[in-house]
Amino acid sequence: DTEVTQTPKHLVMGMTNKKSLKCEQHMGHRAMYWYKQKAKKPPELMFVYSYEKLSINESVPSRFSPECPNSSLLNLHLHALQPEDSALYLCASSQGFRVQPQHFGDGTRLSIL
Amino acid sequence: QQQVKQSPQSLIVQKGGISIINCAYENTAFDYFPWYQQFPGKGPALLIAIRPDVSEKKEGRFTISFNKSAKQFSLHIMDSQPGDSATYFCAASGDGATNKLIFGTGTLLAVQP
Repeated sequence: DTEVTQTPKHLVMGMTNKKSLKCEQHMGHRAMYWYKQKAKKPPELMFVYSYEKLSINESVPSRFSPECPNSSLLNLHLHALQPEDSALYLCASSQGFRVQPQHFGDGTRLSIL
Repeated sequence: QQQVKQSPQSLIVQKGGISIINCAYENTAFDYFPWYQQFPGKGPALLIAIRPDVSEKKEGRFTISFNKSAKQFSLHIMDSQPGDSATYFCAASGDGATNKLIFGTGTLLAVQP
């Protein structure tokens, strides 16, 4: 079991739906990350939060909206997604923004109909 | 300069054999080199990591060899087992002021019984 917990494990949604992905860690880490991973590809960084503030947005489309309500919780709000957004969405955390290593959750498998 | 090149793309090894995966980088500012192991349906799990001040690090059956002058590092899995069958990603970080992990393209390892 990983120490970064992601829910739900699977999500199927239509292109007009609004849904949210949730990530939680209780390791006291102050940096949290969202990655997108397509099949047989490495993870691609989307967002980085440091001390609950957005530090990096890798030019992600606005249909993905991150939120960090507190140091243990990270959300990714989804709206009007496209079929090409179907992927495994991974959350990770680390002790600090410039501190390794990053610990990953098991991801949410997202399918857009 | 941001790339990490990984080879081979796939690898088949007999049980008890040695699995070797290689990575190369260009950016000399990288100072942290982890290997992640990913099973189907799971997130990447940190396997072992090295910093440039040492040439080798061993943890159980897993060894990282690091060649700073050649800008290459490799993962050796001794006595490979069917349970080691997974996708392995090398990565590098430390460039500039960010904590971004730059991943290699991945190696799908199959250990045959």
